[in-house]
Amino acid sequence: RKEVEQDPGPFNVPEGATVAFNCTYSNSASQSFFWYRQDCRKEPKLLMSVYSSGNEDGRFTAQLNRASQYISLLIRDSKLSDSATYLCVLSAGTALIFGKGTTLSVSS
Amino acid sequence: ETGVTQTPRHLVMGMTNKKSLKCEQHLGHNAMYWYKQSAKKPLELMFVYNFKEQTENNSVPSRFSPECPNSSHLFLHLHTLQPEDSALYLCASSHGLNTGELFFGEGSRLTVL
Repeated sequence: RKEVEQDPGPFNVPEGATVAFNCTYSNSASQSFFWYRQDCRKEPKLLMSVYSSGNEDGRFTAQLNRASQYISLLIRDSKLSDSATYLCVLSAGTALIFGKGTTLSVSS
Repeated sequence: ETGVTQTPRHLVMGMTNKKSLKCEQHLGHNAMYWYKQSAKKPLELMFVYNFKEQTENNSVPSRFSPECPNSSHLFLHLHTLQPEDSALYLCASSHGLNTGELFFGEGSRLTVL
């Protein structure tokens, strides 16, 4: 089983839609979780950390379910500028392990 | 200056060539990383350095040789590469290990003929 699994998509949604991405992980010892965003032909950038209690940053909400080894990212009121690949990331020792990413395309 | 700078941005080399990728960070970070990103694969960690000392080598073939002369600079020396080594090589830095925020450079896109 891969360490981090994500549905690659693409998810094609209209502006204003709500979209959710899921990610499962295999290492139950993982301590920290994150969502990164990677625009086409650009480097990945941290979008937000994921806390056990769930956390929100504007239109973005992240949730963690340790029992099911599952994290999610919800984007409300999608904008054209949200089009990107969203990478699920977890900590493993001294470095980060990345998922393949889920591609989102928001259209007008 | 951007936070993490990588050169060259694009590199084409033959299998017998020797070349180097360079990374420089202007963020005052202690840790630096090399990741490989291939099409349809997740980012793969290659090497980790903390305060110039290598702390992780993720079973990378010896044809990739890292060098970290100081906390601000990181090199990846390449020799006798294979076509399957063609990928985007991303350098990153962080304030310390065990931190969730990596700052990536724009990458060096390598093509091996």
